[in-house]
Amino acid sequence: EEQLEQSGAEVKKPGESVKISCKGSGDRLTDHWIGWVRQSPGKGLEWMGMIYLGNSNTRYSPSFQGQVTFSADKSLTTAYMQWTSLKASDTAMYYCVTLPVSERHFDFWGQGTLVTVTS
Amino acid sequence: VLTQSPGTLSLSPGERATLSCRASHYVTSDYLAWYQQIPGQAPRLLIYRASIRATGVPDRFSGSGSGTDFTLTISRLEPGDFAVYYCQQFGSSSEATFGGGTRVEVK
Repeated sequence: EEQLEQSGAEVKKPGESVKISCKGSGDRLTDHWIGWVRQSPGKGLEWMGMIYLGNSNTRYSPSFQGQVTFSADKSLTTAYMQWTSLKASDTAMYYCVTLPVSERHFDFWGQGTLVTVTS
Repeated sequence: VLTQSPGTLSLSPGERATLSCRASHYVTSDYLAWYQQIPGQAPRLLIYRASIRATGVPDRFSGSGSGTDFTLTISRLEPGDFAVYYCQQFGSSSEATFGGGTRVEVK
């Protein structure tokens, strides 16, 4: 079974940058996209986009295009999401997920990384 | 857009739960999935392709439907089933969308 290990919680000030990570433990990630899902406090799930580990091809939700940047290191089976200038509204739990290339569902979820932006 | 109803379902253990998810556009190849989120935990996949149970999901969970109308049924609620349930699809522009969720709470 695939395991996704996410980096720890972050507390940042508005305007600061942060990069969170998601490491896959299995070898099946070569056939999967790694996606990111936001859950703001008390709210539902929002898909942010995804990256293909094999060639770092990315797709962004229009809602998040330009707000975050996805990257990946295939040799480390790790995906990253980065903000260059955080806002208070970025405060949320962020989950990484895997999407089989031939499917349209997220079969494994990381434990989540809580990003808190507060002055 | 995916619209889930009801917003909250109040039921007792042992009862049957029926959750609805309606899509604003036709869902290609029934690529509709359901997830369960227990408070304080990450969501987990329950059902994909509208009716296929994910590995390890008990058979009291079942998915049905096609086109624009889909249903998740929990035949007999157990204490661990009280959670929030989300449906999800990928639209024609290859963007994933989630429904707003249905909370199943203890009556």
